[in-house]
Amino acid sequence: NAGVTQTPKFRILKIGQSMTLQCAQDMNHNYMYWYRQDPGMGLKLIYYSVGAGITDKGEVPNGYNVSRSTTEDFPLRLELAAPSQTSVYFCASSRGLAGGNEQFFGPGTRLTVL
Amino acid sequence: DQQVKQNSPSLSVQEGRISILNCDYTNSMFDYFLWYKKYPAEGPTFLISISSIKDKNEDGRFTVFLNKSAKHLSLHIVPSQPGDSAVYFCAASGETSYDKVIFGPGTSLSVIP
Repeated sequence: NAGVTQTPKFRILKIGQSMTLQCAQDMNHNYMYWYRQDPGMGLKLIYYSVGAGITDKGEVPNGYNVSRSTTEDFPLRLELAAPSQTSVYFCASSRGLAGGNEQFFGPGTRLTVL
Repeated sequence: DQQVKQNSPSLSVQEGRISILNCDYTNSMFDYFLWYKKYPAEGPTFLISISSIKDKNEDGRFTVFLNKSAKHLSLHIVPSQPGDSAVYFCAASGETSYDKVIFGPGTSLSVIP
């Protein structure tokens, strides 16, 4: 099993550009999550999904969009990139609810917006 | 307002000694707690968890203690090994649901050989 995979590993965007961060898992997990980690801070939840076709906002959803058309994939879309979106982004999945189950994380995408 | 706090950004410990990482929380509705470990350039990995119905959970060299009245938990690593050098995140859930967790800012542990 590859677990949770994320692409790209690194990306530099100009202000106002858009991009999609890809996330896929092969563990047949219903629950998937997007987090961002800023220096010296914990992981902040951006969006999450409890199954295909169902998504919900986390703590910091502004400037992002998600979709979940399949169990395996959970892409994160950044529209009109801003310097405040410079961060490391982690995708995660879990078999059950994150609060009571282990989350499996991808290796992260380091995004810089200039 | 941080609901999960890890007040020590970093900690250095000699190999073979005990490492104690602390975590405080403010929300009394939290009732499930998890620790994740993160190496540089990798995603976090789950380490150990504890439910509020317990005050201790042990897994090999790792033990988590929970003091609900003080809203405090700690992770003990005995004996510490150089491979334990990583950032450790405390996380909590159960405020209104269990579909998401709140992470602390992390403590960077260095185990010196």
